[in-house]
Amino acid sequence: DAGITQSPRHKVTETGTPVTLRCHQTENHRYMYWYRQDPGHGLRLIHYSYGVKDTDKGEVSDGYSVSRSKTEDFLLTLESATSSQTSVYFCATERGLAGGTQETQYFGPGTRLLVL
Amino acid sequence: AQSVTQPDIHITVSEGASLELRCNYSYGATPYLFWYVQSPGQGLQLLLKYFSGDTLVQGIKGFEAEFKRSQSSFNLRKPSVHWSDAAEYFCAAFDRGSTLGRLYFGRGTQLTVWP
Repeated sequence: DAGITQSPRHKVTETGTPVTLRCHQTENHRYMYWYRQDPGHGLRLIHYSYGVKDTDKGEVSDGYSVSRSKTEDFLLTLESATSSQTSVYFCATERGLAGGTQETQYFGPGTRLLVL
Repeated sequence: AQSVTQPDIHITVSEGASLELRCNYSYGATPYLFWYVQSPGQGLQLLLKYFSGDTLVQGIKGFEAEFKRSQSSFNLRKPSVHWSDAAEYFCAAFDRGSTLGRLYFGRGTQLTVWP
């Protein structure tokens, strides 16, 4: 495993409030990802990062923003939380080989978010 | 569009029985293929992966998977299931043609094991 921690592990918030989830890794992996997991949908990519300050959108990025100011931290912000963003959020990291070749992604324990 | 399909939403087997979970992918070229397992309330754990070479790959916990290019499949198997194998299983594929990492996940197969 890549030594991935996520905080908080559980959060309850109200509609309209901003929420920030943190992913921290200790393996110096280049790539980091945020997914959401919902019943019947598997995991869907929200945003990803391919280096410090280098990020891009995934397939379900609306309503979310990310930042990566250090290699080890990748933050996911819900700018104004909505009930549709109630989900389990997973962070993943990937070492990233020379030449940009991808390999295995390792997952954190997840954050359960409930938006009331 | 690129996709990963797990046709079985839920499978129930008896302890000691054999298991096969199906996975099909749709890509132009051979992708990197993965199987992950998720126990309740936990994150995803990598079971095994296929990048190239021998089409039968061995993973942790006694699991194996076989890549069949002609069928665009990467089915997961275990000869004898244990009660602790009850979990949700996800197949995932990474398109080698893309320049940046992006895994496409199937919707998962929930495995129930009867004693």
